[in-house]
Amino acid sequence: SQTIHQWPATLVQPVGSPLSLECTVEGTSNPNLYWYRQAAGRGLQLLFYSVGIGQISSEVPQNLSASRPQDRQFILSSKKLLLSDSGFYLCAWCRGSEAFFGQGTRLTVV
Amino acid sequence: AQSVSQHNHHVILSEAASLELGCNYSYGGTVNLFWYVQYPGQHLQLLLKYFSGDPLVKGIKGFEAEFIKSKFSFNLRKPSVQWSDTAEYFCAVRSPGFGNEKLTFGTGTRLTIIP
Repeated sequence: SQTIHQWPATLVQPVGSPLSLECTVEGTSNPNLYWYRQAAGRGLQLLFYSVGIGQISSEVPQNLSASRPQDRQFILSSKKLLLSDSGFYLCAWCRGSEAFFGQGTRLTVV
Repeated sequence: AQSVSQHNHHVILSEAASLELGCNYSYGGTVNLFWYVQYPGQHLQLLLKYFSGDPLVKGIKGFEAEFIKSKFSFNLRKPSVQWSDTAEYFCAVRSPGFGNEKLTFGTGTRLTIIP
């Protein structure tokens, strides 16, 4: 069966520090991968998606970047965090008809 | 570009009331449509989906949705809600093909059921 792992679950980082959130998928190959940010009243905002290794589409201009170094690995990064980067980040994979979500990372920038 | 609108931000109903949550999308081509639910403290999970065929789709837990192409709508319905339906509901659209596998969500509707 397919599973998706996302870590860490919670993270507190100072302003200006770097960020690296990792997402890996097991049990499937060549999945479409997504990073979302969930905020109260704003739903799920699509940040990045990837249809293959090294292929990244960015949806909104921001302080974040994404990379896909391997088929089942998707990384969300920042060189210098801003206070406004605080939020709940969700990784998802999709192949075929359904999307599956990770447990999410609660990021607090202080 | 595709987008999804959910006009009801917070809906409060009594148990046994009927439910209809609105969802409109903006993409004019072929679309796949989804409703997801997020119960308090839990992951997003799929309620139902529409790809093609019968525009009336039945999902889990007694939910259904109707795809009306002329109105670009995919409203979620349930004839009689239960307290356990309290959750946040998200409509989503995807336009497959031509390399566009972007899955776009609406802002969500928070549903509160009063016992």
